[in-house]
Amino acid sequence: GAGVSQSPSNKVTEKGKDVELRCDPISGHTALYWYRQSLGQGLEFLIYFQGNSAPDKSGLPSDRFSAERTGGSVSTLTIQRTQQEDSAVYLCASSAQGSSGYTFGSGTRLTVV
Amino acid sequence: EDQVTQSPEALRLQEGESSSLNCSYTVSGLRGLFWYRQDPGKGPEFLFTLYSAGEEKEKERLKATLTKKESFLHITAPKPEDSATYLCAAQSPSGNTPLVFGKGTRLSVIA
Repeated sequence: GAGVSQSPSNKVTEKGKDVELRCDPISGHTALYWYRQSLGQGLEFLIYFQGNSAPDKSGLPSDRFSAERTGGSVSTLTIQRTQQEDSAVYLCASSAQGSSGYTFGSGTRLTVV
Repeated sequence: EDQVTQSPEALRLQEGESSSLNCSYTVSGLRGLFWYRQDPGKGPEFLFTLYSAGEEKEKERLKATLTKKESFLHITAPKPEDSATYLCAAQSPSGNTPLVFGKGTRLSVIA
């Protein structure tokens, strides 16, 4: 596609429910990143995929968070047993091999009520 | 721990009033310093990458500069459409480590 696509754009869920957020990166981009942006805070790194290498999960805040990337393309971020503090905008970005520039999607705004 | 600090948190300018945004970083062996623009409800949009002290890059009314400890985003004669949040990010040299972002500067340009 022309850009990084994220869905849904908005998600309201009840506390304790599981949610899945989807990211479709730019075709051919080997690296994919998930960040979280809370109100008044900077972008917080969550997880990073590079080609077929094992993902860097060092930013995941708890074991309720997980992500996978199928076929080196689409990625899904899953949050289990959501809590109110999980409310934030979840941003996905991708970059090409050897490039340090990221292209971001528009994000998924998650609200846990 | 790598850190990026931006100041001020918010800046309000009159149209045509030039100013600078600051980004200080503590990253050993900086690999790259990045500036992004973020409009409400959208993801960050790439502006510049700077790689070495003394480097400068320009785009329309924006100019980014880099020293060994900080970067500046200079805005010359801003217009209302320059209103946005400007994010700074740093990358360490350790492989493909993810960017570390500052909290941003929220710029408002009043006509």
